[in-house]
Amino acid sequence: EVQLLESGGGLVQPGGSLRLSCAASEFTFRPYAMTWVRQAPGKGLEWVSAISGSGSDTYYADSVKGRFTISRDNSKNTLYLQMNSLRAEDTAVYYCAKDDGYSGNYEAFDIWGQGTMVTVSS
Amino acid sequence: EIVLTQSPDTLSLSPGERATLSCRASQSVSSSYLAWYQQTPGQAPRLLIYGASSRATGIPDRFSGSGSGTDFTLTISRLEPADFAVYYCQQYGGSPSTFGGGTKVEIK
Repeated sequence: EVQLLESGGGLVQPGGSLRLSCAASEFTFRPYAMTWVRQAPGKGLEWVSAISGSGSDTYYADSVKGRFTISRDNSKNTLYLQMNSLRAEDTAVYYCAKDDGYSGNYEAFDIWGQGTMVTVSS
Repeated sequence: EIVLTQSPDTLSLSPGERATLSCRASQSVSSSYLAWYQQTPGQAPRLLIYGASSRATGIPDRFSGSGSGTDFTLTISRLEPADFAVYYCQQYGGSPSTFGGGTKVEIK
């Protein structure tokens, strides 16, 4: 079964860091762009960051630019999100999603993981 | 940034009825890069429609999408119990990609 499995969420203090991982299985990971989307408790969806299939191009929402870094290891079929200088407003479920294309632009998200919760609080 | 406004916020209907959900964009969505997702409580979103009107793999034909430019519609022809959920539209033709606020379809 095609699957994305996130890990790495948890409770962190404001100003702290976390690294999320997303392990892909049962599909050819390398050519496809990948995306992180978050959902604050009781709220809607917010696009966070995307990376092209090769990893050469990355994109960020203004709300996380300069604080978050997206990366991927195609040899391990794994996507990452390094989150630094975390704020209370970053509290959310973080989903990884597979793009239906290769670039990270102009693509819908056809496979989603179950999400990992990040709570930023003192 | 393209702002998507979904209406209504909540739609109260009975199984078997037709649901019509609206998504309006603050500016034209290029090449109909508009998708619809379904989310049930505690679950991840699921892609239903992409390119404004193409059904994703495995999506039953009671779901249909239409529209272009700034006005888009998701129609569920006959609601089944599993269809009561929150629906989000997303535009991916402009940077950044943005989502609407969602429409909850609840059992009347």
